[in-house]
Amino acid sequence: GQQVMQIPQYQHVQEGEDFTTYCNSSTTLSNIQWYKQRPGGHPVFLIQLVKSGEVKKQKRLTFQFGEAKKNSSLHITATQTTDVGTYFCAGFIQGAQKLVFGQGTRLTINP
Amino acid sequence: GAGVSQSPRYKVAKRGQDVALRCDPISGHVSLFWYQQALGQGPEFLTYFQNEAQLDKSGLPSDRFFAERPEGSVSTLKIQRTQQEDSAVYLCASSLTGHLSNQPQHFGDGTRLSIL
Repeated sequence: GQQVMQIPQYQHVQEGEDFTTYCNSSTTLSNIQWYKQRPGGHPVFLIQLVKSGEVKKQKRLTFQFGEAKKNSSLHITATQTTDVGTYFCAGFIQGAQKLVFGQGTRLTINP
Repeated sequence: GAGVSQSPRYKVAKRGQDVALRCDPISGHVSLFWYQQALGQGPEFLTYFQNEAQLDKSGLPSDRFFAERPEGSVSTLKIQRTQQEDSAVYLCASSLTGHLSNQPQHFGDGTRLSIL
């Protein structure tokens, strides 16, 4: 069953507003990856977090990995229409040797 | 090629028919993965190859699902006696090495399978 939970499932914002999606695992993760899937497209790798408490930034995107390595978040500042899509976290679960994806958060933006 | 290529993009089959889905990974990539993505859900792991060896098939839903990668490059996912619950997008991904935990996965556009 799904071991990585992601909320919210949907988020609609006005262009320029901020957006955050949260990812939680029932077990400790070796690392976590984030992917973006545009409508009709395929998941595209954004970033990987490995260390406890790690924070990484990509322009307007900020990614965090929790101290216990069980949760993560993606925050987008001042959303733009190009940010539209579904954001997935994917945790690499120790012992399972595979990526487990969250259900994704679908972001839509009102221009 | 520049990216992971999957064919066909769309497949419609009648219940009970067999289907074969093809994946051509990025040249030189050691690892190849198959995922099943239902509408509104994240990709769910099906199986993993390292070169020609199928190292994990724990995600295959039943013995009607079979995957192979005989020469360590192109892979085929076969579904026998298809059922309506098999309708989904089937995604293939590849990564450069066999070190799964620190490699980004590169996805193809998927095959959208519809079973009537």
